[in-house]
Amino acid sequence: QVQLQQSGPGLLKPSQTLSLTCVISGDSVSSNRATWSWIRQSPSRGLEWLGRTYYRSNWYNTYAGSVKGRITIDPDTSKNQFSLHLSSVTPEDTAVYYCAREDSDHYYFDSWGQGTLVTVSS
Amino acid sequence: QSVLTQPPSVSGAPGQRVTISCTGSSSNIGAGYDVHWYQQLPGTAPKLLIYGFTNRPSGVPDRFSGSKSGTSASLAITGLQVEDEADYYCQSYDTSLSWVFGGGTKLTVL
Repeated sequence: QVQLQQSGPGLLKPSQTLSLTCVISGDSVSSNRATWSWIRQSPSRGLEWLGRTYYRSNWYNTYAGSVKGRITIDPDTSKNQFSLHLSSVTPEDTAVYYCAREDSDHYYFDSWGQGTLVTVSS
Repeated sequence: QSVLTQPPSVSGAPGQRVTISCTGSSSNIGAGYDVHWYQQLPGTAPKLLIYGFTNRPSGVPDRFSGSKSGTSASLAITGLQVEDEADYYCQSYDTSLSWVFGGGTKLTVL
């Protein structure tokens, strides 16, 4: 049973960088049968996939066009976790952020973190 | 505006059957990508309910079923129970936008 535990600050000011971490238990961030994503949810944008990291002999990242240029997702094999960094945040980035495991054979998310409400406000 | 279209709400009495539709396009469902369904109870993360249009993960009651028709998919819930009251989301893969979700459907059990 894969479990994902998120951590990170919930309140940011505009222009700051959002950083969240997702610790994995029951699987490996280096698994070649999974990818590791960040997804956010807000009333205005619904559920929005932001990006992912995955290992297939090398590390790869894929990012959504809506946040490309501001987003970085980093794996940390020593701690079996991955992190989200979103720079230059605005109030539009206020949302609940989830980390999630994707079964890379089938493109669905079978494990989710508990969610972190991030509010961007001056 | 979500890439996948769902009705905002559906309702039914306990014991009844309800269906939730999910309409896509030629760049997602019509391109051959699977649809998956999630249940989100208030204050919790989405939970995988159906994958690959029709398959239930272990532990999901067989009251929940999925189907496909052209560029659409549907989720059916039979024998409605009070605890089924939740938001339901469909999800697929889109050739232009990667992973995409429906706008969600709020199920009310009357």
